[in-house]
Amino acid sequence: NAGVTQTPKFQVLKTGQSMTLQCAQDMNHNSMYWYRQDPGMGLRLIYYSASEGTTDKGEVPNGYNVSRLNKREFSLRLESAAPSQTSVYFCASTAIRGPGNTIYFGEGSWLTVV
Amino acid sequence: GQQVMQIPQYQHVQEGEDFTTYCNSSTTLSNIQWYKQRPGGHPVFLIQLVKSGEVKKQKRLTFQFGEAKKNSSLHITATQTTDVGTYFCAGPGDAGNMLTFGGGTRLMVKP
Repeated sequence: NAGVTQTPKFQVLKTGQSMTLQCAQDMNHNSMYWYRQDPGMGLRLIYYSASEGTTDKGEVPNGYNVSRLNKREFSLRLESAAPSQTSVYFCASTAIRGPGNTIYFGEGSWLTVV
Repeated sequence: GQQVMQIPQYQHVQEGEDFTTYCNSSTTLSNIQWYKQRPGGHPVFLIQLVKSGEVKKQKRLTFQFGEAKKNSSLHITATQTTDVGTYFCAGPGDAGNMLTFGGGTRLMVKP
C-alpha cells in the first residue's frame, strides 16, 4: 500500500536555487494538498487542488507554485528558494469532502535552504 | 477565515498520568478530525466526530465533540511512552476540501 508518495525525502538548497517536490497518490483521490510544518509548529496549507485541473492558494502560498499534472500527481515548485522556506513539506490527499473523509499524508520532505 | 485553536501547546506528564488536549473553533464545524504525529513522522488520522455531543473511544483515548460543535477534546487515560507525539485537531476549511489544522499539542511522557 503506497498511499501518498513524495520525493525527495531530504534536500539542501542554496538561496536562489529552484526545485520541485513531487507527490503522487494511488488511492484515486480527487483532492490533493501541500502543507508546510515549521519546527514545533502546526501545519499550514500552501496550495491545494480540489480536483484535477484546479489549484487554489492556501494560507501561505507566496514563493511557491503548484501543478496538478493529473489525478495522481501534484507537484510543488520553489522558483527561488529562501532560508524562510526551510521546513518540512507534507503532501496529502483526500477523496471528497464530507463525513468519513480523512486526509492521508505522505512521509514528508525535509528541505533546508542555506 | 476560520481559526482552530488548540491548548495546551505542550504537556509533560509522568507515565500513567492522564492527558487532555482541547480544540476550539471560531465557527461551527460540520465535523472534526484528530490526527497524531509521532516525532519525525507524518500526521496519521485517528478519528472523526460528526454529531453534536458525540463521544468516541479508542482504547485509552476518548474523543468528544461539543454540543455547539465548536469545540472538541481528546483525553488519554494512563499515558504510556507510546503516546508521545503531537496531537492535532482539524476542521473543514473555508473552501474546497481543505482542512484547517489546530496548532497541535505536543505530548511528552516521562517513563
